[in-house]
Amino acid sequence: EAQVTQNPRYLITVTGKKLTVTCSQNMNHEYMSWYRQDPGLGLRQIYYSMNVEVTDKGDVPEGYKVSRKEKRNFPLILESPSPNQTSLYFCASSPLRDSPSYEQYFGPGTRLTVT
Amino acid sequence: AQTVTQSQPEMSVQEAETVTLSCTYDTSESDYYLFWYKQPPSRQMILVIRQEAYKQQNATENRFSVNFQKAAKSFSLKISDSQLGDAAMYFCAYRSDPTWGGGADGLTFGKGTHLIIQP
Repeated sequence: EAQVTQNPRYLITVTGKKLTVTCSQNMNHEYMSWYRQDPGLGLRQIYYSMNVEVTDKGDVPEGYKVSRKEKRNFPLILESPSPNQTSLYFCASSPLRDSPSYEQYFGPGTRLTVT
Repeated sequence: AQTVTQSQPEMSVQEAETVTLSCTYDTSESDYYLFWYKQPPSRQMILVIRQEAYKQQNATENRFSVNFQKAAKSFSLKISDSQLGDAAMYFCAYRSDPTWGGGADGLTFGKGTHLIIQP
């Protein structure tokens, strides 16, 4: 089954304790992206990657890091989480060529709470 | 940069009736893609319908259809015969054509419309 998986689905942590949210896709997509969703703001892009070892900032990158060492994986790293990073996080992937619509496929989301 | 505006924070419709959700966008590009995503209480993002800007024909998926007005930069979603399972947040989203823009752009989302279905 074609899918994007994220782990963990729920996480409660304390300020300053480094954490990683994993993301993996099995569709051989070139493009992967992280979004955060906050009430009244919709979804905003944090970071994206167009291929292995190619990453770049989205609209709200402060406080986050990413890496793309393998095509299928795109982890999101919070080295020193703060309460303003409490949010719902989505990983997504899409093809970059030979696609009818380049739609993005979303993971199930990770609910992060930083106290 | 592109912007997407959903002017209706909340809409309510009677079951079996028809409802239209509004979306406008701002872009200087000629090639792009538009999407409507549904987010039920489970929080999963589910693609409802897509529209390629180069296609004049409005997309249709069963009870869901769009009214795409390229010149007006409008992309509304019509839900016919509303069902209780349609209750959700609906997000309109824009994506630049990756074959022209290099593929860097992700989705630009509106802030969402909360759809309530009255039984």
